[in-house]
Amino acid sequence: EIVLTQSPGTLSLSPGARATLSCRASQSITTSFLAWYQQKPGRAPRLLIYNTSSRATGIPDRFIGSGSGTDFTLTISRLEPEDFALYHCQQHGISPFTFGPGTKVDIK
Amino acid sequence: QVQLQESGPGLVRPSQTLSLTCTVSGDSINSGDYYWSWIRQRPGLGLEWIGYTYYTGTTYYIPSLKSRVAISIDKVQNQFSLKLSSVTAADTAVYYCAREPATVVAETNWGQGTLVTVSS
Repeated sequence: EIVLTQSPGTLSLSPGARATLSCRASQSITTSFLAWYQQKPGRAPRLLIYNTSSRATGIPDRFIGSGSGTDFTLTISRLEPEDFALYHCQQHGISPFTFGPGTKVDIK
Repeated sequence: QVQLQESGPGLVRPSQTLSLTCTVSGDSINSGDYYWSWIRQRPGLGLEWIGYTYYTGTTYYIPSLKSRVAISIDKVQNQFSLKLSSVTAADTAVYYCAREPATVVAETNWGQGTLVTVSS
């Protein structure tokens, strides 16, 4: 099983700041099957990024995905108030598909 | 645009079988491009991928649930289903169905989720 580790656990930032979230895999992942989700309390996860760096439909360009091999990054270039949420990475290339534990981005 | 909708009882008694259905619209479940998956999120915890079915009927389940879970596909109704037997309070969760790319590079689509509580 591929274990995904996300860091930091919590990121405290101010609106307008840049957020950098890390997702590290226990073995190399095909970039085609690395995704990032945003989740707010009581809501279903919302797909932000698929294929490591492709933005999902309707996702603003301040969300940027990058990486390869075992190291992947989600960057939010300038935090808007609605971006304070929980972020998950997922690999869906090798069964069992797995999620990271999440990074919470909260308001400083 | 594809849409997925979970349905089923919101309350299940301990030791009984949890049964959920995902109805797919906007795409054929007979597509070889996607896996049809179930994912859950227990209260206060992270996302847990449960398993998938494929249009051929092939399935994959996570080892920790493999002895209790079954995912099946109904091509006529364009639905797929989850059955989880011998449930306990630890199976209380929001359950999501999802369409996940298998042979294409594409977005994953999720249902809105349904809360299932295991309680007597």
